[in-house]
Amino acid sequence: DTEVTQTPKHLVMGMTNKKSLKCEQHMGHRAMYWYKQKAKKPPELMFVYSYEKLSINESVPSRFSPECPNSSLLNLHLHALQPEDSALYLCASSQGGLALGYNEQFFGPGTRLTVL
Amino acid sequence: GESVGLHLPTLSVQEGDNSIINCAYSNSASDYFIWYKQESGKGPQFIIDIRSNMDKRQGQRVTVLLNKTVKHLSLQIAATQPGDSAVYFCAENMKGRGSTLGRLYFGRGTQLTVWP
Repeated sequence: DTEVTQTPKHLVMGMTNKKSLKCEQHMGHRAMYWYKQKAKKPPELMFVYSYEKLSINESVPSRFSPECPNSSLLNLHLHALQPEDSALYLCASSQGGLALGYNEQFFGPGTRLTVL
Repeated sequence: GESVGLHLPTLSVQEGDNSIINCAYSNSASDYFIWYKQESGKGPQFIIDIRSNMDKRQGQRVTVLLNKTVKHLSLQIAATQPGDSAVYFCAENMKGRGSTLGRLYFGRGTQLTVWP
């Protein structure tokens, strides 16, 4: 299995809702990432987990809460989002964790999030 | 902030021609670079990578050139095909100060359109 899967593909939520995005990989990768991508813009790093520990938080608002239950799964919990949070949320994984430096990341197809 | 940029936001080529997509980076501490292809509605797909101790790397129909003197990266696609139409991003792996952990930062992207 050489892919990263993400669910759901599309999500529409109100500003008072709580929802979660899910990501899964079975490549034995030890680093997993969340990115946010607005239309016609590059992906922007949000969070990095290395060996199931949160290693990098790029000053993301607390209404986004990541979770890594095990080495294959990564969640992003959403609460009290704003309309400007509407974007494509991409999950990625890489083999050796960040400490090894070289970092080919495999991306999932993303979840298209719309906040009303 | 964004340190990886692209000289041309759009590029149109005739099928069969060679394409060259350019990228400038500003962080001399970056030690690893990746080119990604992103088709509409999909996540970024790895194309080719290069480490900072190299100046050229070839793949199938693609070549990446790295000029560290002027902090410039390019992607050459030989015999461009309609299926190559996508947005192409360069990304640099930037190590944090005092840390072995890296971050992958994406450039703005170039929309490549291949005409039959």
